Amino acid sequence: AQKVTQAQTEISVVEKEDVTLDCVYETRDTTYYLFWYKQPPSGELVFLIRRNSFDEQNEISGRYSWNFQKSTSSFNFTITASQVVDSAVYFCALSEARGSTLGRLYFGRGTQLTVWP
Amino acid sequence: DAGVIQSPRHEVTEMGQEVTLRCKPISGHNSLFWYRQTMMRGLELLIYFNNNVPIDDSGMPEDRFSAKMPNASFSTLKIQPSEPRDSAVYFCASSPPLGRQETQYFGPGTRLLVL
Repeated sequence: AQKVTQAQTEISVVEKEDVTLDCVYETRDTTYYLFWYKQPPSGELVFLIRRNSFDEQNEISGRYSWNFQKSTSSFNFTITASQVVDSAVYFCALSEARGSTLGRLYFGRGTQLTVWP
Repeated sequence: DAGVIQSPRHEVTEMGQEVTLRCKPISGHNSLFWYRQTMMRGLELLIYFNNNVPIDDSGMPEDRFSAKMPNASFSTLKIQPSEPRDSAVYFCASSPPLGRQETQYFGPGTRLLVL
């Protein structure tokens, strides 16, 4: 069965600190996709990154970086030099290919990140 | 480019009333998903369509919920009769075929309150 675990329910940091959000997943499929979404207080779900199971390269985008390790079934997200605007709930999600399209997303329970000024 | 469009953004209704939520996916996307978000259960799939055909409706709570996708640019989620426990945020998402930046893009959600 597919499952995504975000063990950290809440994290609080002070501005400019680095913070890492953990994500561990379970799947039996060999082809799958991992995602991170951000949900700010306004409520929308904002796509941040997608990784497929064949691409273990880490990625950096500005202050954001992602570490994908198949050996530990983890897809962790690091924010460097956090800012107050980073305060949000962050969701990790897993999907498999279903024919010619993505299947459903399996979400973790989310990590509430609060960045204090 | 327009993203996923949902209406209404907010809905307040009384128990027993019919509620219809609407979604317009991104043009060119061939899959459409309905999710529900609650504090207790988090984000959960209700149903999804591929090329307008329902593929997985295992998350639809019960017969009070129904969803349709009459064409590639429109879907509805209907609750009849509504109950207070249906209060939640309902998200619609769409995704393109594989090989074209596979990602699910979400609409702004409909915040439903059933009194």
